[in-house]
Amino acid sequence: DAGVIQSPRHEVTEMGQEVTLRCKPISGHDYLFWYRQTMMRGLELLIYFNNNVPIDDSGMPEDRFSAKMPNASFSTLKIQPSEPRDSAVYFCASSLASGKTDTQYFGPGTRLTVL
Amino acid sequence: AQKVTQAQTEISVVEKEDVTLDCVYETRDTTYYLFWYKQPPSGELVFLIRRNSFDEQNEISGRYSWNFQKSTSSFNFTITASQVVDSAVYFCALSEAYGGATNKLIFGTGTLLAVQP
Repeated sequence: DAGVIQSPRHEVTEMGQEVTLRCKPISGHDYLFWYRQTMMRGLELLIYFNNNVPIDDSGMPEDRFSAKMPNASFSTLKIQPSEPRDSAVYFCASSLASGKTDTQYFGPGTRLTVL
Repeated sequence: AQKVTQAQTEISVVEKEDVTLDCVYETRDTTYYLFWYKQPPSGELVFLIRRNSFDEQNEISGRYSWNFQKSTSSFNFTITASQVVDSAVYFCALSEAYGGATNKLIFGTGTLLAVQP
């Protein structure tokens, strides 16, 4: 089975531009998570969805960040406008809904550089 | 509040040495889960193990073993006979399970393991 798929793997953009990161979770998984990894803050949860519905977006840093999950097999994380401090690796992860905590499987990440 | 502490920032060993990565956690809940993930130089996060708070049995998988001790709130990871391919950043993570609806992971800061040939 395919794991979590993320695209693009690398993104370089200029400050002020809109950036869209994409994620396809593992088929059958009901939870989808977006994380950000930076040297200063480590791995931090931005938002997660259950059955396509956002459950907790308290980790989204600013209104410039938005995330959607239009269907069970696709999610986007958008940054508009982007800023240099948004440079990081963004991970998407998915897990099954099992009534208790289940293992989150991560995608390969998108390395974002904002110049 | 939940917290995961990995006090070892970097460890360097020579191939075939055993190495233990420490993880200490804080939580007020009685039901929780602990995880270890590996992040090799290529950057992906690879799941290694999950342990729930009711299962204190140690686990061994090949050269990997995990020691869970609730009394000291620790979940340490040992690699026996380390190999160069074990070089990576290792993350310990904690998740609470109350309410059945939340499974947010709180990550430690990671330990960079360098295995020298």
